[in-house]
Amino acid sequence: DADVTQTPRNRITKTGKRIMLECSQTKGHDRMYWYRQDPGLGLRLIYYSFDVKDINKGEISDGYSVSRQAQAKFSLSLESAIPNQTALYFCATSDWPGRTGELFFGEGSRLTVL
Amino acid sequence: KQEVTQIPAALSVPEGENLVLNCSFTDSAIYNLQWFRQDPGKGLTSLLLIQSSQREQTSGRLNASLDKSSGRSTLYIAASQPGDSATYLCAVSRNAGKSTFGDGTTLTVKP
Repeated sequence: DADVTQTPRNRITKTGKRIMLECSQTKGHDRMYWYRQDPGLGLRLIYYSFDVKDINKGEISDGYSVSRQAQAKFSLSLESAIPNQTALYFCATSDWPGRTGELFFGEGSRLTVL
Repeated sequence: KQEVTQIPAALSVPEGENLVLNCSFTDSAIYNLQWFRQDPGKGLTSLLLIQSSQREQTSGRLNASLDKSSGRSTLYIAASQPGDSATYLCAVSRNAGKSTFGDGTTLTVKP
């Protein structure tokens, strides 16, 4: 089983709908991240969480919200989806500031907003 | 603000060739630099991580170097194979574990 699991892997929705992307990890890391990938724009950080009680905005947090339900679970929500939120979304974990600070990624969730 | 640039954006080589991918960053105050591989529509697989105090890391046919003072890292792939075809991304982290990514180099290795 993957260390970082994202669900759903693919989702097509309509403008205005509420969408939740879920992430769970078995690596035991405190730090979790949500990134968005768009062609030509690379990966951009949406939100990150240091632990269950500590959540921070990234560079493109507008239109998104997150919930850290437990150390192992970090969800990303789009309250009212719009077409320019069509992208590939990645969840990641890190052992920062532990051994190496290495990032570990899930397989991604492809979201299409019509 | 940290900026990460990867050149070239795309590279096509014949099988067996040795090649170098480049990554440059503007702020040398980094914690680590990580190289990833991404296959189309897939997640990011970590290849090598170099701590700021290190100069290079090796794994099999891959060797990554880091020169913080010049803001550069290279990923060397020896004896390339068609299975190496993918997009290679570098990411630089400074604090809080937040990383800045380059746009990647898309590598095609022709049989």
